[in-house]
Formats: sequence, structure tokens, C-alpha cells
Amino acid sequence: DTGVSQNPRHKITKRGQNVTFRCDPISEHNRLYWYRQTLGQGPEFLTYFQNEAQLEKSRLLSDRFSAERPKGSFSTLEIQRTEQGDSAMYLCASSFRRGLGRRDTEAFFGQGTRLTVV
Amino acid sequence: EDKVVQSPLSLVVHEGDTVTLNCSYEVTNFRSLLWYKQEKKAPTFLFMLTSSGIEKKSGRLSSILDKKELFSILNITATQTGDSAVYLCAGLSGNQFYFGTGTSLTVIP
Repeated sequence: DTGVSQNPRHKITKRGQNVTFRCDPISEHNRLYWYRQTLGQGPEFLTYFQNEAQLEKSRLLSDRFSAERPKGSFSTLEIQRTEQGDSAMYLCASSFRRGLGRRDTEAFFGQGTRLTVV
Repeated sequence: EDKVVQSPLSLVVHEGDTVTLNCSYEVTNFRSLLWYKQEKKAPTFLFMLTSSGIEKKSGRLSSILDKKELFSILNITATQTGDSAVYLCAGLSGNQFYFGTGTSLTVIP
């Protein structure tokens, strides 16, 4: 399977625990995005990487959230001291950003990790 | 502030009807407009529009972009129950995809 892969698919955790999600993008894609989606809403941007560099973080990403993409391939998203408001679907997407004046590819999404904080 | 607004929020039609979904956008450094279909899981890609006025078609689905008026439409003809889903529109800026809240389409047999 050469699509975007996320795991785990589901995670239930107690409030205050730390959780970590993993995303494996399409191998040749240099951009990797993390989004969060709650019921009835469109995906909300959290952060993105160009290769291994984290270039932008949303204001939504509090200091309890951290993301890494150490070798420019897979990425992890960690949430520390989880709160009930963190319950959501966490989506990862990847794309290929070409150089100036050239068309980007579309973003392909993984199946998401559904987090429930109890 | 960058934003994407979709209308209607929800739509219920009968099989065989034709529907038009709307998307307006205000995105800084706009590069492309994308449409996705979401059925209780991850969004799946439908169209990417970069040029104004050029219709893209895939089977019963088609879409067009108007960069002057900053909107796009997604048309679905001869709707089927399998078209029931949330349709998301996203504007791609220099740095990220800005998503609308989606249009929930329900097709009744």
C-alpha cells in the first residue's frame, strides 16, 4: 500500500495521559500536514513540514502538542496531559510541493486517528 | 483572515437529481482549489483546480473555478445513493490547505 498510513486508528485515553500518533506519508512527498477534525466541521490545520523542517504551526497547537518529522519521512504528533477537548479525529496528509511556478500535487489523506479522552 | 465558505451546509435530494455545491474562498497567496469527498473516514480527493474557467470532469462529477469572483462549484448529475457524503472544499495557499465546513449531501432512493 503506497498511500498515507496512520496509526493507531483509534485511541482511548484517560485525561492527563500522553498520547503519540504516527503518520507515514507517501514516500516521494516532501510536505506533510497534520489536521484535526471534530464532528460537523472541516479539517483544521495544526502544522506542516517541508521535508524535516516544521515551517508553520497553528495557534490551535498549544504547548501540549508537539510534532516531529526527524528524517523527513514519517512524522509523530504527541499530545501531553490530554484534555477532553482534545477528543477529535487527527488527520495526516502529504503532498509534493514543486518549485516556483510549477503545479503542486493534491494532498492525500490518511485514514486518521480517532482520539477519545475520557 | 483566510477562510473558505461552503453552501449549502446540507442537502437532501432524490436519486437522479442534479446538485450544485458552492465554495467561496478568501485565501492569501492562493494556488489551487481542491474538492474532497468524505464518508465517515478520511477525505478522498476529487478535483484540483488551478486555472479559471476550465471545467474538470470525472464521470458524473464536474467542477469549475472562477478566480475573479473567488468561487468554485461542484456539480453532480444523476445522483446515486453512493454519492451521499460530506463534500469538502479547500483553498491551497503557500503554506496550507484551508478547509470549509463541508456540504452534507444525502441522496434518497
